[in-house]
Amino acid sequence: ELKVEQNPLFLSMQEGKNYTIYCNYSTTSDRLYWYRQDPGKSLESLFVLLSNGAVKQEGRLMASLDTKARLSTLHITAAVHDLSATYFCAFMSNDYKLSFGAGTTVTVRA
Amino acid sequence: KAGVTQTPRYLIKTRGQQVTLSCSPISGHRSVSWYQQTPGQGLQFLFEYFSETQRNKGNFPGRFSGRQFSNSRSEMNVSTLELGDSALYLCASSLVGHRAQYFGPGTRLTVL
Repeated sequence: ELKVEQNPLFLSMQEGKNYTIYCNYSTTSDRLYWYRQDPGKSLESLFVLLSNGAVKQEGRLMASLDTKARLSTLHITAAVHDLSATYFCAFMSNDYKLSFGAGTTVTVRA
Repeated sequence: KAGVTQTPRYLIKTRGQQVTLSCSPISGHRSVSWYQQTPGQGLQFLFEYFSETQRNKGNFPGRFSGRQFSNSRSEMNVSTLELGDSALYLCASSLVGHRAQYFGPGTRLTVL
């Protein structure tokens, strides 16, 4: 069974600074998803990474995938308050099952 | 394009009852997945359907079942409800199973 370890679980960010969320997984997978969830809301798709070395950027967020290291990172550049949310990584196994990390709750303070 | 819709949005049931939740995927999407989200267990995969066939099932008891119709709409059923079934149930759809999954707003189930 594919296991996903996400860290940190909680991240207090200072506005304007850079931070990284890490996501390790236990077995071979080349399908990585990042989601954002605001309190009381559903999941919003941020990135889909489908190959080793894939890097995608949207605004202040950049995600990358290293399948050899079984690691994905979500890098946040110059944090702003609007980025406060819970971020989840998820990996899909060959049988179409998404396994989620525990989530990283991000709070951005002035 | 309309997003994934789920009905009802909120539901309150008592132990022992059964419940049916509905999910309408984005038009053209044929893969529908269901997830349970709880504070203690996080997000857990329930099942995935494609063209009316269940292709995978998570580690949930047989009380949890689902189906998909020819129009790709899906339902999940939970029988003999337990307190621990209280959760947010999320449905997601995608064009094919491994592409981006788009989540619906969820159904908040409370079991008393």
